[in-house]
Amino acid sequence: SQTIHQWPATLVQPVGSPLSLECTVEGTSNPNLYWYRQAAGRGLQLLFYSVGIGQISSEVPQNLSASRPQDRQFILSSKKLLLSDSGFYLCAWSLNYGYTFGSGTRLTVV
Amino acid sequence: DAKTTQPNSMESNEEEPVHLPCNHSTISGTDYIHWYRQLPSQGPEYVIHGLTSNVNNRMASLAIAEDRKSSTLILHRATLRDAAVYYCILVNTNAGKSTFGDGTTLTVKP
Repeated sequence: SQTIHQWPATLVQPVGSPLSLECTVEGTSNPNLYWYRQAAGRGLQLLFYSVGIGQISSEVPQNLSASRPQDRQFILSSKKLLLSDSGFYLCAWSLNYGYTFGSGTRLTVV
Repeated sequence: DAKTTQPNSMESNEEEPVHLPCNHSTISGTDYIHWYRQLPSQGPEYVIHGLTSNVNNRMASLAIAEDRKSSTLILHRATLRDAAVYYCILVNTNAGKSTFGDGTTLTVKP
């Protein structure tokens, strides 16, 4: 069966520090992969999506970047975090239809 | 990608049916209607989806209007565990991405 792993669950980082969040998928090949961010009490904002290795589409200009070094690995990064980068980050995958989400990472930038 | 419109919040009493509406007037012929729900501090989980016909599964029922411009998620007997944010989205496999709005926050009263 397909599973998605996302870590860490929570993260507190100082302003100006780097960020690396990793997401891996098991049990499927060549999925579409997504990074979403959710502010408190709001819906999901699509940050990046990827339809294949090395193929990244950015949805909003921001302080973040994404990479897909392997078929089932999706990484969200920042060189220098801002206070406004705080939020709940969700990784998801889809294949043919629908989405399966990871359990999320709550990032607090202090 | 086409957008959906949902009420911000709804309330229900435990053991009663709940009808959660969604408008998607710009839906295209190849858009599937998907519903997800999100519990606090968790990633959204799939509930149900459909294209043209009404659908039933163990979690809920989906009623789709004949013109497909609206749909209704039906929880036949709400429980306290059904309290969550419910998202209605359109999924088009050719588009590669979908837009999540703010969803409907369902409160279930005992």
